[in-house]
Amino acid sequence: EAQVTQNPRYLITVTGKKLTVTCSQNMNHEYMSWYRQDPGLGLRQIYYSMNVEVTDKGDVPEGYKVSRKEKRNFPLILESPSPNQTSLYFCASSLGPGFSGGNEQFFGPGTRLTVL
Amino acid sequence: AQSVTQPDIHITVSEGASLELRCNYSYGATPYLFWYVQSPGQGLQLLLKYFSGDTLVQGIKGFEAEFKRSQSSFNLRKPSVHWSDAAEYFCAVLPNFGNEKLTFGTGTRLTIIP
Repeated sequence: EAQVTQNPRYLITVTGKKLTVTCSQNMNHEYMSWYRQDPGLGLRQIYYSMNVEVTDKGDVPEGYKVSRKEKRNFPLILESPSPNQTSLYFCASSLGPGFSGGNEQFFGPGTRLTVL
Repeated sequence: AQSVTQPDIHITVSEGASLELRCNYSYGATPYLFWYVQSPGQGLQLLLKYFSGDTLVQGIKGFEAEFKRSQSSFNLRKPSVHWSDAAEYFCAVLPNFGNEKLTFGTGTRLTIIP
């Protein structure tokens, strides 16, 4: 089944304790992205990756890191989480760049993170 | 930079009634346009998309949307809602070139009453 998976689905942690949220897709998509969803703000892009070893900042990258060593995986790293990073996080993937037709982005199920 | 406005934060509709959710965008050219639905506790599912051509697009679950260039709008409609349509709906735009950055509206929460 074609899908985007995220782990963990739920995480409660404390300020300053490094964590990683994994994201994996099995559709051989080139493009992957991370969003955070906050009430009243919709979804905002954190980082995106056009292909392996190619990443760039989205709208709200502060406090986050990403890596893209393999095509299928795009982990989100919080080196020193803070309470303002408490949010619902979504990973997404699509076939490729916008000029190829605005391909549909497929979303993972989300990771609910609470930072105390 | 592109932006998306969904002016209705919350809409309540009776089951069987018609529905229209509003979406306005700001962008220098015609972008790609999308509607996503998020059911409680779930990820986002694509309802429909507009790239070019016919300005009335059909999607899944009986939804349709109409692109109006003169109004920079892409409103979502359904002639008769079902209780299972209760969810949050997001309009999104994607530039028609360059990166894949989706810009989302803030969402409209739909409540269905019997």
